[in-house]
Amino acid sequence: SQQGEEDPQALSIQEGENATMNCSYKTSINNLQWYRQNSGRGLVHLILIRSNEREKHSGRLRVTLDTSKKSSSLLITASRAADTASYFCATDGNQGGKLIFGQGTELSVKP
Amino acid sequence: EAQVTQNPRYLITVTGKKLTVTCSQNMNHEYMSWYRQDPGLGLRQIYYSMNVEVTDKGDVPEGYKVSRKEKRNFPLILESPSPNQTSLYFCASGEGAWTEAFFGQGTRLTVV
Repeated sequence: SQQGEEDPQALSIQEGENATMNCSYKTSINNLQWYRQNSGRGLVHLILIRSNEREKHSGRLRVTLDTSKKSSSLLITASRAADTASYFCATDGNQGGKLIFGQGTELSVKP
Repeated sequence: EAQVTQNPRYLITVTGKKLTVTCSQNMNHEYMSWYRQDPGLGLRQIYYSMNVEVTDKGDVPEGYKVSRKEKRNFPLILESPSPNQTSLYFCASGEGAWTEAFFGQGTRLTVV
């Protein structure tokens, strides 16, 4: 089952612009995480936001969480060509040891 | 260096020939998990382990086996691989199921 669904599936922007990706999920959660994947490589953890948090920052990353709407957004400010990657949200879905990933947003940042 | 190591990185095999993909972590993590990644389907969890000798099914466990005899190792076993198991496989570990997960570099498996 796909707990997290990212939107858009693909996003193309110019260097310096901001990139916003959204994630929706279906069931209650304990936390939500965002990961980044460079082409075909292992995922790298970016940020974790707990269900009782509404916003979290890490460098150029800003994550928001709206549990009433079951949605989260990841904002990358002042994007760089090196930010080109796929971005995934992951939730626990309150399902024991499961960690459920969405299908990802493919971000392309053009220099 | 803290890492999750998968082997092999690439594997081409024939239908029905048993294979094992190894996964080892050096962070003393209790939680380990296997995923497969297919185009358009994202990452899907195959099996996970909350601790030694404790394993449980993820969303797509059919055709796979795992074992957790030691904390650091979590091998993925395909007893009789089929072409629909051709995929990119990732192992991950973490302090717990709901904490930051550390991923291996992936194993690209082709079953012909």
